[in-house]
Amino acid sequence: GIQVEQSPPDLILQEGANSTLRCNFSDSVNNLQWFHQNPWGQLINLFYIPSGTKQNGRLSATTVATERYSLLYISSSQTTDSGVYFCAGGYQKVTFGTGTKLQVIP
Amino acid sequence: DTEVTQTPKHLVMGMTNKKSLKCEQHMGHRAMYWYKQKAKKPPELMFVYSYEKLSINESVPSRFSPECPNSSLLNLHLHALQPEDSALYLCASSPPPFYEQYFGPGTRLTVT
Repeated sequence: GIQVEQSPPDLILQEGANSTLRCNFSDSVNNLQWFHQNPWGQLINLFYIPSGTKQNGRLSATTVATERYSLLYISSSQTTDSGVYFCAGGYQKVTFGTGTKLQVIP
Repeated sequence: DTEVTQTPKHLVMGMTNKKSLKCEQHMGHRAMYWYKQKAKKPPELMFVYSYEKLSINESVPSRFSPECPNSSLLNLHLHALQPEDSALYLCASSPPPFYEQYFGPGTRLTVT
């Protein structure tokens, strides 16, 4: 199966700062998703982004499928953005990345 | 209704018990999934049901037994579990063509 690596593994931000999270995958993936897992364990869909760029409020994502990576941008971070961010890809047999744990401090 | 529900939220069971986890969705999705997530790790796929038929079994031990009685419901029957099976169990569903997954809140299982 595909391997999915995320960086950085841990990130601490001051509230209001911007950040970029990266997801690299070992093989082509035709359906990439980004999720936010809150401290209670709920996985929340952020983006379905097999290619191109999408924006939703303070979050945006870009996937360059030909180079096998995706980026998640968080602008003007808030304490509620804290949690773990996962990218995941694969058709039905979905593989999750290693995750980035984000802590936003006031 | 735009969500996946899971019951119970928490479960503590002994190694000789039999219990079941339940997952339900009413979004007309035709694929449903079970994942297991250990602390500080990503979710790992266990089973996939597509159109109510088991399509993927990731070599999960037989003490975990999935069941899909209809297109809205997915169960995971548990028997003779080990303490190392303690984890967060997540259910997800997908609409055709099965590119996106939507997750329930999970069941936190503790095996004593």
